[in-house]
Amino acid sequence: EVQLVQSGAEVKKPGDSLKISCKGSGYSFSTYWIGWVRQMPGKGLEWMGIIYPTDSDTRYSPSFQGQVTISADKSISTAYLQWSSLKASDTAMYYCARLSGSYPKTPFDYWGQGTLVTVPS
Amino acid sequence: QSALTQPPSASGSPGQSVTISCTGTSSDVGAYNYVSWYQQHPGKAPKLIISEVSKRPSGVPDRFSGSKSGNTASLTVSGLQAEDEADYYCSSYAGSNNYVFGTGTKVTVL
Repeated sequence: EVQLVQSGAEVKKPGDSLKISCKGSGYSFSTYWIGWVRQMPGKGLEWMGIIYPTDSDTRYSPSFQGQVTISADKSISTAYLQWSSLKASDTAMYYCARLSGSYPKTPFDYWGQGTLVTVPS
Repeated sequence: QSALTQPPSASGSPGQSVTISCTGTSSDVGAYNYVSWYQQHPGKAPKLIISEVSKRPSGVPDRFSGSKSGNTASLTVSGLQAEDEADYYCSSYAGSNNYVFGTGTKVTVL
């Protein structure tokens, strides 16, 4: 069974750094693109970026380029999303999701349960 | 890159059909047949229900169907059921390593 399990909720202060994780199982982690999607409170979905764990080829949405870093460690089947300096506006639910096949043709077919990041102002 | 435009809400009685539009541009929806639709129940992760404009993943009821004309994609839910009440989002590849989601539509089953 394909599963993406994300790390737990975080409450951080403005200016803090943070790295959240997404561990894949039940499939060949290295050979599927993993992406990150933001959902701010009461709002819609926003595509942040995507990584191919085999070679760490990473693509960022222009909206998130320079704001976050996406990485992966294929040896432990885990992808990461990190911030160097959080802002209150980073408060959101963050989902990881797997592309079903080749980029960019295919959609996200499996999703993690989400990680809630709260940065009180 | 602006979000794709969806109506904020749609509704129908059980057994009826509802169609949700997703309007983009010639750079995203109009340029590629890589339109997907996701269903999201409150407090849950999104679930893929349509890929590549009109393909239904295994396990998705055939009550869900997708289409596209020009810069607008559409999702139709036929034979509405109570469990179809959820938020629905379209998504399209937009070129230059970018995807864009729709603004989302809340479907209410009356």
